[in-house]
Amino acid sequence: GDSVTQMEGPVTLSEEAFLTINCTYTATGYPSLFWYVQYPGEGLQLLLKATKADDKGSNKGFEATYRKETTSFHLEKGSVQVSDSAVYFCALSDIGNTPLVFGKGTRLSVIA
Amino acid sequence: SQTIHQWPATLVQPVGSPLSLECTVEGTSNPNLYWYRQAAGRGLQLLFYSVGIGQISSEVPQNLSASRPQDRQFILSSKKLLLSDSGFYLCAWRRPVEVGYTFGSGTRLTVV
Repeated sequence: GDSVTQMEGPVTLSEEAFLTINCTYTATGYPSLFWYVQYPGEGLQLLLKATKADDKGSNKGFEATYRKETTSFHLEKGSVQVSDSAVYFCALSDIGNTPLVFGKGTRLSVIA
Repeated sequence: SQTIHQWPATLVQPVGSPLSLECTVEGTSNPNLYWYRQAAGRGLQLLFYSVGIGQISSEVPQNLSASRPQDRQFILSSKKLLLSDSGFYLCAWRRPVEVGYTFGSGTRLTVV
């Protein structure tokens, strides 16, 4: 079945550091790919998405490119802020009404 | 615009007591609805999903159940809570033709 693997956390960075959170997937079809963010005590919010190969999703300084050849969707940000501290989930959606498949989440802590 | 409501926000219940968590969506019709659980420090576990009134798919057999009595209402229930039912419960929805979810703000359940 479909699956998402993302790097284990926690990840601790200093403010203004470069961020990469790796995400790879396995899917039978051509899925859409997502990054969700969860701030402490809250639900998940869609951060960005890409629906086909080579698409780049971007939002709030975060970017991720849908790489079909490497089945990856790595999340990057050039300069993190303390307010980016959260848990980040990679997810995929395959055809029809099948539920999203989520990775296990990566906790990011940014220190001043 | 569409909104999703989940309540209560927090709940403390004794072992063996019943549970009812409610989720409603406004501003759309015939949404796909989902219940997830997030145990402390862990990823998202899909519990139930529904593509229509009275249609419930269960992903994990356990002492929880779900019902969809109305088009935009999704209820998570238990007759007798266990300590292991503690966690953060998230409801989500999407239109059948769309690929991404919108999440509610979650209910933090502590079973004591």
